[in-house]
Amino acid sequence: GQQVMQIPQYQHVQEGEDFTTYCNSSTTLSNIQWYKQRPGGHPVFLIQLVKSGEVKKQKRLTFQFGEAKKNSSLHITATQTTDVGTYFCAAHNFNKFYFGSGTKLNVKP
Amino acid sequence: DAGITQSPRHKVTETGTPVTLRCHQTENHRYMYWYRQDPGHGLRLIHYSYGVKDTDKGEVSDGYSVSRSKTEDFLLTLESATSSQTSVYFCATRASSGGANEQFFGPGTRLTVL
Repeated sequence: GQQVMQIPQYQHVQEGEDFTTYCNSSTTLSNIQWYKQRPGGHPVFLIQLVKSGEVKKQKRLTFQFGEAKKNSSLHITATQTTDVGTYFCAAHNFNKFYFGSGTKLNVKP
Repeated sequence: DAGITQSPRHKVTETGTPVTLRCHQTENHRYMYWYRQDPGHGLRLIHYSYGVKDTDKGEVSDGYSVSRSKTEDFLLTLESATSSQTSVYFCATRASSGGANEQFFGPGTRLTVL
């Protein structure tokens, strides 16, 4: 099956600092999705990227899809304590989804 | 969030016993998925369904079976539970192909196999 590598595994930041998580695949992806899971909660869909080089923004979150469609990133500007959680990327291949191992973000107030 | 419920929410069982987890949706979504979540592994697909009585294997299907007799229900069965199946299990649904392909997740079931 398709493998999606995600780094880093953990990130601890001071509130107000920026945060970035990266996903990489050895194969070209048709699209990539991002999810957020709050502690004790379930994953919640954030966004889907489809086009090569695509950049989408949601307030302080910026999502990018690489030109070769083999990598993606999620960047959070000026983190807040509400950003705490685990962020997952997921590659969609036909009807199946392959999740990265996630980046757990901790934000110190 | 879509109306997705999972039952039970917590279960403790013994090795060798059968276990069935239920996922119920009220959104009439075509696709339903079962994932397990373990530390360091993210979410791994066990089985999925693309319609009533239509199912397919995911990447970690060994030891699991599924059934979907109605659009709204997707059952995951562990025929003979093992300690390696201790995990948090999430059900997810997705509407038909096209659009954002967004998956909606249920609240999860924490299963402990002793």
